[in-house]
Amino acid sequence: GAVVSQHPSRVICKSGTSVKIECRSLDFQATTMFWYRQFPKQSLMLMATSNEGSKATYEQGVEKDKFLINHASLTLSTLTVTSAHPEDSSFYICSARMGFSDNSPLHFGNGTRLTVT
Amino acid sequence: DAKTTQPPSMDCAEGRAANLPCNHSTISGNEYVYWYRQIHSQGPQYIIHGLKNNETNEMASLIITEDRKSSTLILPHATLRDTAVYYCIVRAASSGSARQLTFGSGTQLTVLP
Repeated sequence: GAVVSQHPSRVICKSGTSVKIECRSLDFQATTMFWYRQFPKQSLMLMATSNEGSKATYEQGVEKDKFLINHASLTLSTLTVTSAHPEDSSFYICSARMGFSDNSPLHFGNGTRLTVT
Repeated sequence: DAKTTQPPSMDCAEGRAANLPCNHSTISGNEYVYWYRQIHSQGPQYIIHGLKNNETNEMASLIITEDRKSSTLILPHATLRDTAVYYCIVRAASSGSARQLTFGSGTQLTVLP
């Protein structure tokens, strides 16, 4: 079964509004979660690394004031797209590592399809 | 992390084995080979990973060459539901916090009826 849960699975919002996406690790604690974005017919691109209890680290070109990340607990990270524009329409996916081994694989949520009208 | 090269697309007949190749000629000693797949409009699904020994689980087998410069993911009896983009990713084991995965273009596997 799924070990990482994302909500909502799809959302439509109007331009200028904000949207919050939740990512939960199920039955395990994740001090670090990752947020990816995927545009149509492209591969996943890392946006930011979410760290429990500290600030997120963002990849080059990703605006931290536009994509707010809050990792408030060991099982929950949220991504808020603020003042959304149509070009923010994309597939957003989070991931977390389950297991304590250095080579434990990352597991991914089922993604959130964001459409900004 | 080492770069990987995969064919952009492959077809496979339903019920036959699907063999997906991956080149990672610059892999270093502490880097693992991970395989994920992404079915359309879903998040990536972990399949298998290995360091140097061949690995098998309920989904697939991973064959890594002795020099570790390439690997093959084998789906022993492909079904239509195995149609997906398959990603081969090389990543060093991390100590402490997790390290992210860098996705390439992957291989679009189409299983034909």
